[in-house]
Amino acid sequence: EVQLLESGGGLVQPGGSLRLSCAASGFAFGTYAMTWVRQAPGKGLEWVSSISGSGGTTYYADSVKGRFTISRDNSKNTLYLQMKSLRAEDTAVYYCAKARDIAVTGYCFDYWGQGTLVTVSS
Amino acid sequence: SYVLTQPPSVSVAPGRTARITCGGNNIGSKNVHWYQQKPGRAPVLVVCYDSDRPSGIPERFSGSNSGNTATLTINRVEAEDEADYYCQVWDSSSHHWVFGGGTKLTVL
Repeated sequence: EVQLLESGGGLVQPGGSLRLSCAASGFAFGTYAMTWVRQAPGKGLEWVSSISGSGGTTYYADSVKGRFTISRDNSKNTLYLQMKSLRAEDTAVYYCAKARDIAVTGYCFDYWGQGTLVTVSS
Repeated sequence: SYVLTQPPSVSVAPGRTARITCGGNNIGSKNVHWYQQKPGRAPVLVVCYDSDRPSGIPERFSGSNSGNTATLTINRVEAEDEADYYCQVWDSSSHHWVFGGGTKLTVL
């Protein structure tokens, strides 16, 4: 059974940093691209960042580029999102999601974690 | 950047057919994915690659994509289908994933 478990969310002051983790199990983690998607309170889904199975290719939304870094440790079956220079508008539930197939781009996300809440506030 | 436009809300009586549209410039040339999200829950994939329905998703759910509009169709709507629905594409020009704004489906 595929499982994705996010952790690391919490309350952080504007300008602060936070690292999210997504522990994966039940599939060959290193084979599949992974993605972070966020959802601000009462708002829609917003793509944040994606990484290829090897970790060699990454993509970022314009809203986070230069502040967030996506990475993965395939030996630990874990996906990360390092967030710096956090702003109030980064407040959201952050979900990790798994690519359904081994395509580099264009794939759908067939499994999602339960999400972790990040609140940026003083 | 590429924009996907969804109606904010769609209402349908139980047993009828709901159609949720997703508009985008020449969206028919892209692969469109659809997700269902119920309050307080993570999104669930309901249609992949325009019309591919994952295992476990009822046959009542189907998708189509042509021209400037993709459509998620839900036949014989049930109360449990009440949720927010999002379309998604990959924009190869910007190397960005794009989500539509979401459509709230209300079952009357």
